[in-house]
Amino acid sequence: GENVEQHPSTLSVQEGDSAVIKCTYSDSASNYFPWYKQELGKRPQLIIDIRSNVGEKKDQRIAVTLNKTAKHFSLHITETQPEDSAVYFCAAKGQAGTALIFGKGTTLSVSS
Amino acid sequence: EPEVTQTPSHQVTQMGQEVILRCVPISNHLYFYWYRQILGQKVEFLVSFYNNEISEKSEIFDDQFSVERPDGSNFTLKIRSTKLEDSAMYFCASSTLGRGADTQYFGPGTRLTVL
Repeated sequence: GENVEQHPSTLSVQEGDSAVIKCTYSDSASNYFPWYKQELGKRPQLIIDIRSNVGEKKDQRIAVTLNKTAKHFSLHITETQPEDSAVYFCAAKGQAGTALIFGKGTTLSVSS
Repeated sequence: EPEVTQTPSHQVTQMGQEVILRCVPISNHLYFYWYRQILGQKVEFLVSFYNNEISEKSEIFDDQFSVERPDGSNFTLKIRSTKLEDSAMYFCASSTLGRGADTQYFGPGTRLTVL
């Protein structure tokens, strides 16, 4: 089955810096890659996603890139703000399946 | 904006007891899911449900677990005989299409504590 690896597990940046979180997946049939942000004690919230027919997608300060050949995808956050502090999870999903397979999460801390 | 809701927010039970976790998916969604998150760990898929049938389940979803849509709005997860290791946050989610590139929306979760 699908396996998703996520790095780093923790990331500390200064306000205004960029943050990059990387994930790799094992199943070449996976074609949907969402990113969720989870604040302490709250539900995972979708922040951006990418389909396998797209190499990059951007939404304001957030961007996601996908390299299908290498089977990895990354989340880029620019001009980080303290409110970006949270746990970020990447996930992967195949065309035929319904399950989201999550990475272990990255705890991002943005200090002002 | 419509959201997935879950009740209760926190459930405490004794080992061996049965618990039922409740969810109200977004009204026009057709696929429903349960995930769990043990404290400090990743979110893990349990089961998906469509058209009153289980669509997919993980190895975690053994005979102790069952799901049901008892009426037109609720979706439940039952754990028949709880174990200490069932202590976790349980998230319900829903989506429109299920398969393919389909966004899943998560509820706020039920924290289950088994003593």
